[in-house]
This record gives sequence, structure tokens and C-alpha cells, in this order.
Amino acid sequence: EVQLLESGGGLVQSGGSLRLSCAASGFTFTSFAMSWVRQAPGKGLEWVSIISSTGGITSYADSVKGRFTISRDNSKNTLYLKMNSLRAEDTAVYYCVSEGFHFWGQGTLVTVSS
Amino acid sequence: QSALTQPPSASGSPGQSVTISCTGTSSDVGDYNYVSWYQQHPGKAPKLMIYEVNKRPSGVPDRFSGSKSGNTASLTVSGLQAEDEADYYCSSYAGRNNYVFGTGTMVTV
Repeated sequence: EVQLLESGGGLVQSGGSLRLSCAASGFTFTSFAMSWVRQAPGKGLEWVSIISSTGGITSYADSVKGRFTISRDNSKNTLYLKMNSLRAEDTAVYYCVSEGFHFWGQGTLVTVSS
Repeated sequence: QSALTQPPSASGSPGQSVTISCTGTSSDVGDYNYVSWYQQHPGKAPKLMIYEVNKRPSGVPDRFSGSKSGNTASLTVSGLQAEDEADYYCSSYAGRNNYVFGTGTMVTV
């Protein structure tokens, strides 16, 4: 059974930093690209970032480019999202998602206070 | 990257069908057959219902079907059931490793 377990969310002040983690199990993590998708309270889904299976290729939404960094540790089956210079509009539930958006974690809430 | 356009709401009676549209551009929906649809119940994570325009993941009922014409993709739910009441989102590959989601549609049964 595929499991994606996010952690690292919480309350942070505007301008602060946070690192999200996503522990993957139940599939061959090293073979698949992974993404982060977020959802602001009461709003729709927004794609944030993607990383290739080896970590060599990354891409970001314009709204987070230059502030967020996606990475992965294939030896630990773990995906990361380092978020810097956080803004109030980054407040959202952040989902860890497998390649093709087939499997989703339950999400972790990030709240940025201004 | 602008969000794909979906109607805010759609509804149907049990047993009826409902179709949701997802309109993009020639740079996303119109250019790639990588359109997906997701179902999201309140407080839950999204669930993939359709991928690559019209393919269903294992376990998704065949009441759910997808199609695409030009820059617009569509999701049809036939034989509506109470448990189909949820928010539905589309997504599309937009080139250069970028993706875009739709604005979301609330389906009421």
C-alpha cells in the first residue's frame, strides 16, 4: 500500500523559514518523480514544485520560484520542501504527491502569520 | 501560469449524469494529453479519478469518464450517487515540467 506521510508544518512568522518532509513507502520511490501541491484554506489546488526521480531536474511555480527548494533523499525514501521568505499567501495545506499525481499524502498545514 | 477554468458548481439528481468542463489554452490542455481529474471530499486529500484524459486508475468506477476537445477537457459522472458529492479539480501538463490545476467545481447530488 502506497503511503505518503508529510510532516514539518506549523505556525511561522512572515519572512521565516520552514522545511517540510514526506516519508514515502509502498512503492519504488527511487523510480518516480514527486511533487508538492498546496491548497489555501477554502481555495483550490495549486501545483508548487516537481523533482525528477534522481533529483537532477526540478521545476517551480512562479509564485514560489526563488523562495522554495525541492529536494529528495532516495536513501531515505524522503521528499523535502524548504520554504524561505514565507508570506501570508503561502498559508495552505501542503500535499506530497507521487508521479502523475496518482497518490497523495494527507497534507501538512503551514500557517504564516503577518 | 493561469489556472484552468471550471464552472464553480454543477448538480444532478441520483441516477442522472453531470458533466464538468475544464478550459485551458493551446499551451496546456490543447497541447498535451496529460489531463487528470481529482475528487476531493471535505477535509480529505484529493483522489485521482482520471488520468491522461480518459484513463481510470484501478478501483475507480466506470461511471467516471473523461474526454478532451481542443482546449477543453470534460469529466462526466454517470449514474450519480450520493457519495459523488464532492469538489472536482482538473489538472494539465503545461510544458517545461510545469503543471496547472483547475479552479474547482462543487458537485451537488
